[in-house]
Amino acid sequence: SQTIHQWPATLVQPVGSPLSLECTVEGTSNPNLYWYRQAAGRGLQLLFYSVGIGQISSEVPQNLSASRPQDRQFILSSKKLLLSDSGFYLCAWQGSPNEKLFFGSGTQLSVL
Amino acid sequence: AQSVTQPDIHITVSEGASLELRCNYSYGATPYLFWYVQSPGQGLQLLLKYFSGDTLVQGIKGFEAEFKRSQSSFNLRKPSVHWSDAAEYFCAVTYDKVIFGPGTSLSVIP
Repeated sequence: SQTIHQWPATLVQPVGSPLSLECTVEGTSNPNLYWYRQAAGRGLQLLFYSVGIGQISSEVPQNLSASRPQDRQFILSSKKLLLSDSGFYLCAWQGSPNEKLFFGSGTQLSVL
Repeated sequence: AQSVTQPDIHITVSEGASLELRCNYSYGATPYLFWYVQSPGQGLQLLLKYFSGDTLVQGIKGFEAEFKRSQSSFNLRKPSVHWSDAAEYFCAVTYDKVIFGPGTSLSVIP
């Protein structure tokens, strides 16, 4: 069966430090992969999505970047975190456009 | 640009009353349409989806939604709300990517 792993669950980082959040999917191939940030009252903001290895679409100009080095691995990064990067980050995958999203358990990032 | 709106930020209903949550999308073509629910401290759960065929779709937990092409809407309904339905509800659309509306928070009065 398909599973999605996202880690870490919580992270506290100082301003200006780097970031790396990792997401891996098992039990499927060539999934569409997503990174969202969820803030109260704003729903899920799409940050990045990928339809294949090395193919990344950025939705919001920001301090973050994403990479997909392998078919089922999706990484969210930053070279220097800002206070405004704090939030709850969700990774998700989708088999095809008419299928539902499967979500990871999320990462609560606090930038201090 | 593709967008999804949910005009109601927060709705309060009495238990047993009917419910309708609104969702509108802006784009030319008809996207794939979804409703998700997120209970406090929980992940997102798919309630129902539409991508073709009958414009009235049935979902889990007694929910249904109606797609109206002329209004670019996909409103969620439930005839009789239960206290356990209190949650955040998100409409989502897929064209080449999945985008979510801002959500509607539902409170249920006993």
